[in-house]
Amino acid sequence: AQTVTQSQPEMSVQEAETVTLSCTYDTSESDYYLFWYKQPPSRQMILVIRQEAYKQQNATENRFSVNFQKAAKSFSLKISDSQLGDAAMYFCAYIPYSGAGSYQLTFGKGTKLSVIP
Amino acid sequence: DTAVSQTPKYLVTQMGNDKSIKCEQNLGHDTMYWYKQDSKKFLKIMFSYNNKELIINETVPNRFSPKSPDKAHLNLHINSLELGDSAVYFCASSQVGGGASTDTQYFGPGTRLTVL
Repeated sequence: AQTVTQSQPEMSVQEAETVTLSCTYDTSESDYYLFWYKQPPSRQMILVIRQEAYKQQNATENRFSVNFQKAAKSFSLKISDSQLGDAAMYFCAYIPYSGAGSYQLTFGKGTKLSVIP
Repeated sequence: DTAVSQTPKYLVTQMGNDKSIKCEQNLGHDTMYWYKQDSKKFLKIMFSYNNKELIINETVPNRFSPKSPDKAHLNLHINSLELGDSAVYFCASSQVGGGASTDTQYFGPGTRLTVL
């Protein structure tokens, strides 16, 4: 069974600084996708960034980037120039390639990020 | 335009009642899901429907019954509500297989269910 582990229940960062959220996962699949979702107090689940396991290049979306280490099964999220609006719960999630017949997203337990003005 | 919508956003009800949560997506996706987020914020899959057919049914009580009248809708009906059913329920959708943007699940705003 696949598992996703976020070892930091809470983190804080000073506004305009950089923070990295950790995520590790366990799978026997070779083709899969990894995601970071953000859940602000409004509780909406917002997709932050997505990584295909077959791609060696790390995904980036504006101030958000990942460090994907396939051999180590590690998928960390870096937020640069942190803003007050980045304060939220961040969830790491995994899904095997759908050709394998599984459609289930497996989530980590989340990291609560606070941004200090 | 809202991509994945749920109604209602809040639902407060008494134990023993029956209630439904509706979900609609206008993304043209072929797969829809229900997730439950508990009080500790942990998200877990409940059901998944692909082209109106059930493909995942995790261990949930049979008081929970999903209904998919068409590809764009997946409703969740809950019978005989219990205190432990209090949670946030999220609907999501994706297009499964076949390209760079597929397999990404897009979530509705969630329905906070409180059972008294």
